[in-house]
Amino acid sequence: DAMVIQNPRYQVTQFGKPVTLSCSQTLNHNVMYWYQQKSSQAPKLLFHYYDKDFNNEADTPDNFQSRRPNTSFCFLDIRSPGLGDAAMYLCATSRGGNNQPQHFGDGTRLSIL
Amino acid sequence: GESVGLHLPTLSVQEGDNSIINCAYSNSASDYFIWYKQESGKGPQFIIDIRSNMDKRQGQRVTVLLNKTVKHLSLQIAATQPGDSAVYFCAEIRAQKLVFGQGTRLTINP
Repeated sequence: DAMVIQNPRYQVTQFGKPVTLSCSQTLNHNVMYWYQQKSSQAPKLLFHYYDKDFNNEADTPDNFQSRRPNTSFCFLDIRSPGLGDAAMYLCATSRGGNNQPQHFGDGTRLSIL
Repeated sequence: GESVGLHLPTLSVQEGDNSIINCAYSNSASDYFIWYKQESGKGPQFIIDIRSNMDKRQGQRVTVLLNKTVKHLSLQIAATQPGDSAVYFCAEIRAQKLVFGQGTRLTINP
């Protein structure tokens, strides 16, 4: 059974047109993460929520925003996608506290026309 | 356009042989490590983890070895199968965040 679910699996948007990617979890984990992964590279952390507390990475562009309306759902908003934002976007969850493994969804592949 | 990605190290093994994938980490203070498997078009899948108070941990067909002296981690896969073809990432937990290694692409020859 899928525990971290990302929709859609594939998303196509136009240059500059806002897009929202969604993630839901059935694990009741405190922490939810968003990563960007480009071809042949490791995932790169964009930001994470610990419960309702938002934690942005220093090098995440302002173009990327996130919302977490409740424990189960988290959204990634890209306000004005550029060609360089084409990538796989991965959501992950973990329990709070130290040394907890992260569990990933299967990602949304975003293409920019 | 999309930036050019790094060329992943590749390991090719014969089906049925054992595979060893290596990883170096940088932070001697890290105390928790995870190996992930990522198949094409999927998210990273947790394989096995190890804490710094251990030097070996075994799972089903997989063994992780940790050498804290030289900051080295390895993943051993026994009797490699076609379904083991994937990119394997080691990761360390640093300040409650995952820090991924470069990744190794494992290919299985029939």
